[in-house]
Amino acid sequence: GNSVTQMEGPVTLSEEAFLTINCTYTATGYPSLFWYVQYPGEGLQLLLKATKADDKGSNKGFEATYRKETTSFHLEKGSVQVSDSAVYFCALGNYGQNFVFGPGTRLSVLP
Amino acid sequence: EPEVTQTPSHQVTQMGQEVILRCVPISNHLYFYWYRQILGQKVEFLVSFYNNEISEKSEIFDDQFSVERPDGSNFTLKIRSTKLEDSAMYFCASSPGGLIDYGYTFGSGTRLTVV
Repeated sequence: GNSVTQMEGPVTLSEEAFLTINCTYTATGYPSLFWYVQYPGEGLQLLLKATKADDKGSNKGFEATYRKETTSFHLEKGSVQVSDSAVYFCALGNYGQNFVFGPGTRLSVLP
Repeated sequence: EPEVTQTPSHQVTQMGQEVILRCVPISNHLYFYWYRQILGQKVEFLVSFYNNEISEKSEIFDDQFSVERPDGSNFTLKIRSTKLEDSAMYFCASSPGGLIDYGYTFGSGTRLTVV
């Protein structure tokens, strides 16, 4: 079946540091890949997505590239801010099936 | 930007009581979902709903759960006899089509606390 693995958190960084959150997946066929963000006390917000291999999703300075050869979709940001502190979920969607979420990675950015 | 609206934002109920969680999906969306997140744990699929019937459900979605679209706008999740382990954040989501290229739009969630 489909599954998503994320790096264990929490991740603690200083402001302006470079961020990478690793995500790998297992799936049949050609899934679409997503990153969702959950700010403290809020719901899930779509951060970015990629629907086919080599696509790069980007939003708010975050980006992730769909790598079919390594089955990965790592999230990166060049310079994090305190306001980026949240839980980040990698997710996979496959035609005819429902979303599968990774366990989430908590990011704390210190001023 | 269109939103998925969930009410209430927080509900406290006694064990054994029935609760109904309400959701208003985006108006032109056709597929509706419930997910839950037990505190500090992963987001888990409960059920999907299309064309006025359940299209898929997980092992979690047992006989104490039911979903309904009572009118053209609301989508509800009912838990008949709540247990302590039902305490979680419940998220409603909708999407315009079965293809998942769009991603789901999630509501802000209802935090259910069973005491």
